[in-house]
Amino acid sequence: GAGVSQSPSNKVTEKGKDVELRCDPISGHTALYWYRQSLGQGLEFLIYFQGNSAPDKSGLPSDRFSAERTGGSVSTLTIQRTQQEDSAVYLCASSLNQRANTGELFFGEGSRLTVL
Amino acid sequence: ELKVEQNPLFLSMQEGKNYTIYCNYSTTSDRLYWYRQDPGKSLESLFVLLSNGAVKQEGRLMASLDTKARLSTLHITAAVHDLSATYFCAVYDKVIFGPGTSLSVIP
Repeated sequence: GAGVSQSPSNKVTEKGKDVELRCDPISGHTALYWYRQSLGQGLEFLIYFQGNSAPDKSGLPSDRFSAERTGGSVSTLTIQRTQQEDSAVYLCASSLNQRANTGELFFGEGSRLTVL
Repeated sequence: ELKVEQNPLFLSMQEGKNYTIYCNYSTTSDRLYWYRQDPGKSLESLFVLLSNGAVKQEGRLMASLDTKARLSTLHITAAVHDLSATYFCAVYDKVIFGPGTSLSVIP
């Protein structure tokens, strides 16, 4: 499809397990963002990739969280040793080059993570 | 560190009434975005405001940006039930979101 694709759409895991969430951005979009949205809350910035530049990891809540982006396209958000407070919807968004364009973000449908 | 505030956080309004949602941010930026989120759904882009004084309108919604005051407004005219949703503003360049305004339009 032409939009941002995220998988899995739902993930239930046990406390202490590792999880990987995947984001496939819109083709040609060089910027990619991850956000976390807890139930009834706003969007918490996690990490931002722009082209080949070093990612802005300033929003990652702990060293259990990491993300990578391979080949400037697909991104994976990894949460190690999951905790119950990690339960949330993880949203991925992409945009064209930030500075040369409007920077408008296009969002995927999200991955809902439940940690038991 | 960029901080984005919105008020009100919750808004219940009658159909046909007008109201304004405010978005304030703490550091200089010349771009601001408004998004809509329906329950259980992802975010949909409403407006992209790219400069001081920018004004955009779509249907019953109008957004404006004052970069000197670090303020954006989302004005709702003659509200209808279909506008019930949560509205977020977000500020460039790391694209930090405000806490959202949950709007409920009642008959």
